[in-house]
Amino acid sequence: GAGVSQSPSNKVTEKGKDVELRCDPISGHTALYWYRQSLGQGLEFLIYFQGNSAPDKSGLPSDRFSAERTGGSVSTLTIQRTQQEDSAVYLCASSFSGEGTQYFGPGTRLLVL
Amino acid sequence: EDQVTQSPEALRLQEGESSSLNCSYTVSGLRGLFWYRQDPGKGPEFLFTLYSAGEEKEKERLKATLTKKESFLHITAPKPEDSATYLCAVQAGGGGADGLTFGKGTHLIIQP
Repeated sequence: GAGVSQSPSNKVTEKGKDVELRCDPISGHTALYWYRQSLGQGLEFLIYFQGNSAPDKSGLPSDRFSAERTGGSVSTLTIQRTQQEDSAVYLCASSFSGEGTQYFGPGTRLLVL
Repeated sequence: EDQVTQSPEALRLQEGESSSLNCSYTVSGLRGLFWYRQDPGKGPEFLFTLYSAGEEKEKERLKATLTKKESFLHITAPKPEDSATYLCAVQAGGGGADGLTFGKGTHLIIQP
């Protein structure tokens, strides 16, 4: 079956602009996760959804970051007023529930000029 | 705070030369330990999940083991296509966040 998909695959934006990153999880997976991978750093957990609700938003780096999930499926990560330090690969993962294996998408490579 | 440390950071082997990658962890109640493989420009690809000390899992040339403090990924007679970054991650229990805590990975190069 289809895996986790993300769009766009690459995004170049100017400092101060807003960006939206999209994640389409594996069909039937109720849990969805966002991570950030910066050059030379490990994957950093950002936020987790169970259904449409986000029990844990503690990993979001600042109030410029927000995320939503609708219909228990597609999720959007929004970064407002982007800064150069936001440049990274943003990865989405999904799992059947909050337990067990998380399957990752290919990521969105964000470059803020 | 949950922590994962992987060693070595980089490893270069000759084709057929077996070795092991280490993942040391501290976590408040381990719910699961995960191994992923990541190729350049791609997302992490799932390899193994281990849940309790003593557990072992195998897939082709890879074997993962788990103790109460660390996990090993053993690579037997590797081939050039095994070249990748190998990531270790833990998921904590206790009803807290379900996000994974990752190590920084081991960059493995297998030379023909």
